[in-house]
Amino acid sequence: SQQGEEDPQALSIQEGENATMNCSYKTSINNLQWYRQNSGRGLVHLILIRSNEREKHSGRLRVTLDTSKKSSSLLITASRAADTASYFCATDHASGGSYIPTFGRGTSLIVHP
Amino acid sequence: GAVVSQHPSRVICKSGTSVKIECRSLDFQATTMFWYRQFPKQSLMLMATSNEGSKATYEQGVEKDKFLINHASLTLSTLTVTSAHPEDSSFYICSAATDSYEQYFGPGTRLTVT
Repeated sequence: SQQGEEDPQALSIQEGENATMNCSYKTSINNLQWYRQNSGRGLVHLILIRSNEREKHSGRLRVTLDTSKKSSSLLITASRAADTASYFCATDHASGGSYIPTFGRGTSLIVHP
Repeated sequence: GAVVSQHPSRVICKSGTSVKIECRSLDFQATTMFWYRQFPKQSLMLMATSNEGSKATYEQGVEKDKFLINHASLTLSTLTVTSAHPEDSSFYICSAATDSYEQYFGPGTRLTVT
């Protein structure tokens, strides 16, 4: 079963508004990463947050991690039309000596100009 | 940042033929590479984990004889789809992991089997 589950599945906002996406997972993790994917393209790494970190910032992105609730959020502030994409969280969990990344279904974000 | 390339970016092949997709880490050595497939509007599904110099570990439900993975060096892994069928049409994405387990993804390969 999938480890990470994003919510909402789809989000439609106006340019300038903030967009918040959530990710929940089931088992203990090593890292949690957020990626974006434009339609039909590969994944672009946004932020990695380690299990001992609670918050990280990168430009207009803010990621939080709550290991007690097994959840993470990605906040995009002052959104732009170019932020339109699908956003995925991926969790790494240990399995047989390796760290296995597992993706959620993603949140499809549309930012209207 | 670390760069991973995939080749080809798009390929169209006839049913019954085999297709090879290459994944290269350009500026770092990757002990582990991962292969994913993604159907339209769906998430990435891990197919297999590939470690340099050893056999790949396949996820449940993935046919190892159909999806041949070779990780011959620390910078190159290949996925060969053998005897391709239209249902194998998908977006195939590889990633390469650093020693600190950070993953970097390739741009993906769009496979269409006619």
